[in-house]
Amino acid sequence: EPEVTQTPSHQVTQMGQEVILRCVPISNHLYFYWYRQILGQKVEFLVSFYNNEISEKSEIFDDQFSVERPDGSNFTLKIRSTKLEDSAMYFCAGVLRTDPNYGYTFGSGTRLTVV
Amino acid sequence: ELKVEQNPLFLSMQEGKNYTIYCNYSTTSDRLYWYRQDPGKSLESLFVLLSNGAVKQEGRLMASLDTKARLSTLHITAAVHDLSATYFCAVPNLQGAQKLVFGQGTRLTINP
Repeated sequence: EPEVTQTPSHQVTQMGQEVILRCVPISNHLYFYWYRQILGQKVEFLVSFYNNEISEKSEIFDDQFSVERPDGSNFTLKIRSTKLEDSAMYFCAGVLRTDPNYGYTFGSGTRLTVV
Repeated sequence: ELKVEQNPLFLSMQEGKNYTIYCNYSTTSDRLYWYRQDPGKSLESLFVLLSNGAVKQEGRLMASLDTKARLSTLHITAAVHDLSATYFCAVPNLQGAQKLVFGQGTRLTINP
């Protein structure tokens, strides 16, 4: 079964540093999402991406966040100046929507620790 | 704004017992998803429920959907330790990009 791949699996960074989280979605998916999950808490929507554009973003997705699909395959989430409260699991997800039973496929996640 | 609420948030039960997790959502949607998450892991898809009255079963788990009541249930039958995990329901927001809105999760612990 096709998978969504995320790298790195774990990243530790100092406060104020920039991080880039990477996702390789399933090739025929068209809609992409980033979510985050602070330890022990619910999964929160960050941003959606379709046709090489942001289609929706949450209040969490402020100016320090950006998302790109630089080469048509990889999909990145950049946090420009990390804060302690950015420590969380970050998941990318994709969906195709041509099958009535379509599901949202989540990647393995990147655990970000800001120290 | 779509809100999704689960209860209970924590559930400790003994092996062999039955229990139900409830998921309510506040606005109309066309489907509902159930996911399982093990500690430190990703979200594993369990069920997609598409219509009113939909019922799906996989092993000891059975999920149902009542779109009129905006309620889904996840029923665990004769629980076994391997089912210990956190279970999330999620509903797509039909406006905009159809982002998934998640419930708070139910942390299920099954004791021998």
